[in-house]
Amino acid sequence: KAGVTQTPRYLIKTRGQQVTLSCSPISGHRSVSWYQQTPGQGLQFLFEYFSETQRNKGNFPGRFSGRQFSNSRSEMNVSTLELGDSALYLCASSWDYEKLFFGSGTQLSVL
Amino acid sequence: SQQGEEDPQALSIQEGENATMNCSYKTSINNLQWYRQNSGRGLVHLILIRSNEREKHSGRLRVTLDTSKKSSSLLITASRAADTASYFCATVGTGANNLFFGTGTRLTVIP
Repeated sequence: KAGVTQTPRYLIKTRGQQVTLSCSPISGHRSVSWYQQTPGQGLQFLFEYFSETQRNKGNFPGRFSGRQFSNSRSEMNVSTLELGDSALYLCASSWDYEKLFFGSGTQLSVL
Repeated sequence: SQQGEEDPQALSIQEGENATMNCSYKTSINNLQWYRQNSGRGLVHLILIRSNEREKHSGRLRVTLDTSKKSSSLLITASRAADTASYFCATVGTGANNLFFGTGTRLTVIP
């Protein structure tokens, strides 16, 4: 079974731009979660999608959004990038919340 | 915030020694999980303990849970250099279906 795939692996953007990150979950997993990881804040929960519906949302501004497609693939979008958005963005899929499978992440640098 | 805290933040031991990491959390939980992260990569699920369990073993891993103190510990016995990584606890709240991660413990095992 293929694991969780995140693209791109690295991304460099400038302030004010927007970015879209992609996540392909493990086949059969309908839940996809997104996390932001920074050295100072640790792993922060962004949102979770289940069967194309956002089921949970963390405490992030509206510049952070996401969606899930009918094939369970998910994208997250960050608009009007700020320097503080530089982070490792991790996607995880699961069948239930007893075990999350993580991708390798997208390392975003905002200059 | 539902985020847990881990103690110590960093731990350095010799190969063959045991490593113990602690996690404290704030709300009632359904289960608690431990994950491992190698530098800059995705997280890997290690073990899950349910709220009605007190201890669980998996290979060289031993996890305990004390719900009255809202705390858990992870013991890695006979550590190896390959165990060098960051270790995170994560909780699923009662009635919730998303994971909140602790701040992590950086373990270094010296050969």
